[in-house]
Amino acid sequence: DIQMTQSPSSLSASVGDRVTITCQASQDISNYLNWYQQKPGKAPKLLIYDASNLETGVPSRFSGSGSGRAFTFTISSLQPEDIATYYCQQYDDLPRYTFGQGTKLEIK
Amino acid sequence: EVQLVESGGGLVQPGGSLRLSCAASGFTFSSYWMHWVRQAPGKGLVWVSRISSDGGSTTYADSVKGRFTISRDNAKNTVYLQMNSLRVEDTAVYYCASGGSVRFFEYWGQGTLVTVSS
Repeated sequence: DIQMTQSPSSLSASVGDRVTITCQASQDISNYLNWYQQKPGKAPKLLIYDASNLETGVPSRFSGSGSGRAFTFTISSLQPEDIATYYCQQYDDLPRYTFGQGTKLEIK
Repeated sequence: EVQLVESGGGLVQPGGSLRLSCAASGFTFSSYWMHWVRQAPGKGLVWVSRISSDGGSTTYADSVKGRFTISRDNAKNTVYLQMNSLRVEDTAVYYCASGGSVRFFEYWGQGTLVTVSS
């Protein structure tokens, strides 16, 4: 099974800061990685698919990069509404899917 | 507008059964794979099961294989999750999810809470 490890597990940043979250796969998964945002009490929302493609309607301050085993999710300028938990998810191991453990983002 | 509405959650004793439903609207349900994803209280997301658009192919996470059964009724635009032999560790919010590709989960329901406790 492919394991996904996110870091950090939690993060505190100020409005306007650049925020970066990393996701490491236990083996090469090419670009088969997605990123989701989950606000408290809500369902997850797809932000980035195939490692770097922005989902329609998602603000351009969100971006993703990486391939192989190492991936990065970035918010270029943190906004108050970005407070949420972020998850990576791999689909190289179809028909099974694995999520990272999540990164909780808070405002400093 | 795409909508996925789950129902059927509740409190059940260990060893009991429950059937979840997810009613879909706003897209061509019969063309989409459907998934169940769960989230234990305060924990992360875990994929549970998926079913092909015609219902002919199903897959399960190892943790639920042999106990859970996913099915669908394309005439009713509904996907189901039959959960048997429930364990305390099955306690979670269960989301149904789907999308235009099997690669990602573009559409999500609001979730239904399943609590397994004596």
